[in-house]
Amino acid sequence: ETGVTQSPTHLIKTRGQQVTLRCSSQSGHNTVSWYQQALGQGPQFIFQYYREEENGRGNFPPRFSGLQFPNYSSELNVNALELDDSALYLCASSWNRGNYGYTFGSGTRLTVV
Amino acid sequence: AQTVTQSQPEMSVQEAETVTLSCTYDTSENNYYLFWYKQPPSRQMILVIRQEAYKQQNATENRFSVNFQKAAKSFSLKISDSQLGDTAMYFCALIRGNQFYFGTGTSLTVIP
Repeated sequence: ETGVTQSPTHLIKTRGQQVTLRCSSQSGHNTVSWYQQALGQGPQFIFQYYREEENGRGNFPPRFSGLQFPNYSSELNVNALELDDSALYLCASSWNRGNYGYTFGSGTRLTVV
Repeated sequence: AQTVTQSQPEMSVQEAETVTLSCTYDTSENNYYLFWYKQPPSRQMILVIRQEAYKQQNATENRFSVNFQKAAKSFSLKISDSQLGDTAMYFCALIRGNQFYFGTGTSLTVIP
């Protein structure tokens, strides 16, 4: 059973650019959630995808968008990057939006300069 | 709105000793789940223990146990026989619907 895999592990972008982060969910999981973890903070919910549809969104602007593919992998896209977007982005997968059984990946560290 | 508060930014404990990490929360829900997650330098969030709010019995998982006080909205984590591998950030979290609400974390260092 494979866990959650995120790529890339580290990324440096310039303010105003666009970025795509990727997440492969754990085998058997059909739900993917994305979180932003700023330095010294707990993770904040960005959104969740369930069976390729957005299933809830946190307090993030529309320039944060996502996709989920038929194999349940997912992408997080951020447009018009700002310095405050610098953070660790965590992906978590689960089965059927369950209240337990979430598996987290090791994250992508994004630095915006 | 859901909030989770961890008032201890940093803690340390001697190897083999016991340490308790504090967490308080606020929610208007009656049924919810509470979690403690561990985040080592590898950055992956690892589930330590889970508590269903409707269960009065405190959850235990080997050396880890919780003290769940629903009326006080308190959910502390006790680590017994601390090991060097327990060194990590610990996050208390509540889940409502499909969204986790995390605290700001407690950095725990186990001293040899």
